[in-house]
Amino acid sequence: GENVEQHPSTLSVQEGDSAVIKCTYSDSASNYFPWYKQELGKGPQLIIDIRSNVGEKKDQRIAVTLNKTAKHFSLHITETQPEDSAVYFCAALPSSGGSYIPTFGRGTSLIVHP
Amino acid sequence: DTEVTQTPKHLVMGMTNKKSLKCEQHMGHRAMYWYKQKAKKPPELMFVYSYEKLSINESVPSRFSPECPNSSLLNLHLHALQPEDSALYLCASSQESLASYEQYFGPGTRLTVT
Repeated sequence: GENVEQHPSTLSVQEGDSAVIKCTYSDSASNYFPWYKQELGKGPQLIIDIRSNVGEKKDQRIAVTLNKTAKHFSLHITETQPEDSAVYFCAALPSSGGSYIPTFGRGTSLIVHP
Repeated sequence: DTEVTQTPKHLVMGMTNKKSLKCEQHMGHRAMYWYKQKAKKPPELMFVYSYEKLSINESVPSRFSPECPNSSLLNLHLHALQPEDSALYLCASSQESLASYEQYFGPGTRLTVT
């Protein structure tokens, strides 16, 4: 089965700095990679995703990059703000076997200091 | 509209009680999921319904009983729970097609078993 490793487990930055969270996956059949943001007391919210036929995707201050050869993908947040503080989960989905079940990383707690 | 709703938001129950969690989505999604999430951990898959039929049961104890009355509703019936079952219970839905892998989560029900 798929295995997703996520680093770091905790990331502390100053407001305005950039933050990078990295994930690696094991199953070469995975072709969809979502990122979720979970604020305290809330459910995970899909913030950006990328498919294997794309190397990079941006949405305002958030970007995701994918390296299929190396089997890793990263979340980049620029100009961080205190409201970016949350737990971020990466995930990977295989395209084969009709399975649409994501395998999640262990999460990164991002703290943005004002 | 990408909203999944869950009720109740909070639930406290004794080990002899019977209660139910409810989930609803109106996005026309054909797959619905129950996850259990402990603090600082990723969501852990419990059940998957595909086209209103139970397709995945991740060896969940029988004190948890899922039900899918129709394509928009998902219930989780709880009976004789243990204190270690205290957690955030998340519902999610997805279109379950090669064209769309996105999985959307509800806000969760915070369950405390006393």
